[in-house]
Amino acid sequence: QKEVEQNSGPLSVPEGAIASLNCTYSDRGSQSFFWYRQYSGKSPELIMFIYSNGDKEDGRFTAQLNKASQYVSLLIRDSQPSDSATYLCAVRMDSSYKLIFGSGTRLLVRP
Amino acid sequence: GAVVSQHPSRVICKSGTSVKIECRSLDFQATTMFWYRQFPKQSLMLMATSNEGSKATYEQGVEKDKFLINHASLTLSTLTVTSAHPEDSSFYICSARDNYGASQYEQYFGPGTRLTVT
Repeated sequence: QKEVEQNSGPLSVPEGAIASLNCTYSDRGSQSFFWYRQYSGKSPELIMFIYSNGDKEDGRFTAQLNKASQYVSLLIRDSQPSDSATYLCAVRMDSSYKLIFGSGTRLLVRP
Repeated sequence: GAVVSQHPSRVICKSGTSVKIECRSLDFQATTMFWYRQFPKQSLMLMATSNEGSKATYEQGVEKDKFLINHASLTLSTLTVTSAHPEDSSFYICSARDNYGASQYEQYFGPGTRLTVT
């Protein structure tokens, strides 16, 4: 069983819609959770992180964490074509600050 | 914001040669840096954790004698791919953690180095 799982997609949404990206993790001791965006040929850029159950909002992005169900999600409101990228979920499992990445979900926002 | 640079951005080398990749934190000190490798259409795989002034910690399955890591200062870590082979062709990305920064949770990623071994 993979430690961090994501649907590879592609997830296709029309411009202006809400894109919902999901991630599950296996280690109940995981401490903090990150969403990164990666454009083709580029390195990841941090969108946001969350470590407490519930929702965390930052502009058009909302991260949701449910530790009991071991999932974390990212909602992108008012999706734009420029949001088309691969979204990586990463989990920090212990005090070493190492990140374990999921395989990523490719998002396509249709104009 | 915190900036991490990598050099070179792209490198092509012949099979059997060694390649050194540098990772620098430009405006903060990083006692811990991480090295990742990403093959096409795959996710980032952590190779090793680089600790300033001590030996690197390698992930399971990563050959420490092939991927030499040196973290001699608080702003520089280097990864040397020794006796490179075509299967080592990949996108190598480093990240650094600002131990004294406001966010203890964040790693700052470098722009990556595309290695092609012919």
